Amino acid sequence: ETGVTQTPRHLVMGMTNKKSLKCEQHLGHNAMYWYKQSAKKPLELMFVYSLEERVENNSVPSRFSPECPNSSHLFLHLHTLQPEDSALYLCASSQQPSGGGIPYNEQFFGPGTRLTVL
Amino acid sequence: GENVEQHPSTLSVQEGDSAVIKCTYSDSASNYFPWYKQELGKRPQLIIDIRSNVGEKKDQRIAVTLNKTAKHFSLHITETQPEDSAVYFCAASITGGGNKLTFGTGTQLKVEL
Repeated sequence: ETGVTQTPRHLVMGMTNKKSLKCEQHLGHNAMYWYKQSAKKPLELMFVYSLEERVENNSVPSRFSPECPNSSHLFLHLHTLQPEDSALYLCASSQQPSGGGIPYNEQFFGPGTRLTVL
Repeated sequence: GENVEQHPSTLSVQEGDSAVIKCTYSDSASNYFPWYKQELGKRPQLIIDIRSNVGEKKDQRIAVTLNKTAKHFSLHITETQPEDSAVYFCAASITGGGNKLTFGTGTQLKVEL
């Protein structure tokens, strides 16, 4: 498997369920991201992990809980979601320049998980 | 924070014509501007990007221009082909902690035969 992979590709869950989305990158990158993509809206950045530390939490409700156990894996734990959380959840990775600073490098996206909350 | 606006939301052109998509950004500190293409049911993929130290960049039929003073940048596609049909997103990076890209709302480009 190459690039960025995500599982599952489709997920239907009830509002009381607990589920997790998984992302794995095979590119040797040191930064990973979660985005939400809803119809008619721009891609919304949810979380950024750099060197396995969360560096950005874009005012995301606590019913979304990210986890980054190592530089290759990223999870998004879901619980008590709402129907408006139904969307395509995209994972991405990039190589952040050492020493921090602004990102000049391409973000590679996974295929996404299509989430439907009933 | 950064705000990126993108126009038009839909664009229909005849095969062989040119297509132009425009974006504006609000944060003058932004200095990296990528463009992503997302075909139906597929993941976004980078097609071209530009840094703020240059005003124009070209890659075959695709070009991007940047006007830092006016805080806008544009994607130009020449000699459009049916396979160019997709949603195109512009983005701007904001300085500060983390690799944060702010995306525009996307442009649905349709190239008609």
